[in-house]
Amino acid sequence: SQTIHQWPATLVQPVGSPLSLECTVEGTSNPNLYWYRQAAGRGLQLLFYSVGIGQISSEVPQNLSASRPQDRQFILSSKKLLLSDSGFYLCAWSWQGNWYTIYFGEGSWLTVV
Amino acid sequence: AQSVAQPEDQVNVAEGNPLTVKCTYSVSGNPYLFWYVQYPNRGLQFLLKYITGDNLVKGSYGFEAEFNKSQTSFHLKKPSALVSDSALYFCAVRPHTGGFKTIFGAGTRLFVKA
Repeated sequence: SQTIHQWPATLVQPVGSPLSLECTVEGTSNPNLYWYRQAAGRGLQLLFYSVGIGQISSEVPQNLSASRPQDRQFILSSKKLLLSDSGFYLCAWSWQGNWYTIYFGEGSWLTVV
Repeated sequence: AQSVAQPEDQVNVAEGNPLTVKCTYSVSGNPYLFWYVQYPNRGLQFLLKYITGDNLVKGSYGFEAEFNKSQTSFHLKKPSALVSDSALYFCAVRPHTGGFKTIFGAGTRLFVKA
């Protein structure tokens, strides 16, 4: 079966510091990968998605970037965090063979102070 | 523009009563439709999906959803609510065109009172 791992679960970072959130998927190959942000416990905002290694599409211009160095690894980064980057970040994956059903990781709480 | 609407921010229901969480969509063609549940400080969990076929889809934890093409709706239902069903519910739609973008609704918070 497929599983998705996302870490760290929580982190508190000062303004101006770098960020790295990591996500890996097991049990599948060539998944589509996603980073979402959820503000105030409600709506989801798609930040980035990737259909293959090195292929990243950005949905919202912002202070963040994403990379996919390996088939099942997706990384969300920032060189200098802003207060507005605080939120709940969710990694997710989907696969054509399952009608692109999206499966989510457990999320990472980021607080920028 | 393609969109998903969850018209109720919050639904309140007594334990043991039936529950309905509403979802309507506006996309071209016949989309794939999904429901997810989110408990506090957790990721979204997949509940059920409609791809094709029978309009009534059964999913996890006793939930089901009914696809209505003429009303472009995909309401989530459960015959008898549990207090543990209290959570945030998201409807999602994936059009057959438009790349890899699944559209999520804004979410509906369900409160089940004992």
